[in-house]
Amino acid sequence: GESVGLHLPTLSVQEGDNSIINCAYSNSASDYFIWYKQESGKGPQFIIDIRSNMDKRQGQRVTVLLNKTVKHLSLQIAATQPGDSAVYFCAENLLGSNYKLTFGKGTLLTVNP
Amino acid sequence: NAGVTQTPKFRILKIGQSMTLQCAQDMNHNYMYWYRQDPGMGLKLIYYSVGAGITDKGEVPNGYNVSRSTTEDFPLRLELAAPSQTSVYFCASSYTDWNTEAFFGQGTRLTVV
Repeated sequence: GESVGLHLPTLSVQEGDNSIINCAYSNSASDYFIWYKQESGKGPQFIIDIRSNMDKRQGQRVTVLLNKTVKHLSLQIAATQPGDSAVYFCAENLLGSNYKLTFGKGTLLTVNP
Repeated sequence: NAGVTQTPKFRILKIGQSMTLQCAQDMNHNYMYWYRQDPGMGLKLIYYSVGAGITDKGEVPNGYNVSRSTTEDFPLRLELAAPSQTSVYFCASSYTDWNTEAFFGQGTRLTVV
């Protein structure tokens, strides 16, 4: 099976709240992780990435946390907006397999006004 | 700046027919990829290319072929369409390998009946 999985297939939040999307990976050799956002009818859009030598990385309104001890990755979105409604995928890059990025199944985030 | 352009956006094929999905990028990226996305699933790599004249198989290459005669273009060929190839196909490109941001096209929705 896939080494990248998501704890929750759907997440519904109120506008203005913070969102947390979780992802688990099983391969301790993975050294690079990416979060993608996919809006309906569109291709995935890069949000943020993190390398395995980091625990945390921040972008604009987004933060990715990496816990290598429990092989867990999370995406935090601050002050969630209706435009954040989309499917979010985490992807895992295995060391030595640069071209075989493994995607999780995705979490559907719905932001209620 | 068009980014990654895929054509067509939609197509219905009969079993046994063939077609070519077109992909072009204008960012002078060396790396290009073809993914398929089945309903409710993540993306699976079909083929990839690290430069003109170089292609290699991804995770699910059976039933597909690719070519990379120029840096800009990376067409995906289906020779004998089967219902199992009903999916949404995404082309992507990046300057180097997956350890940098990749840009996706809008996708081609293919139905084989």
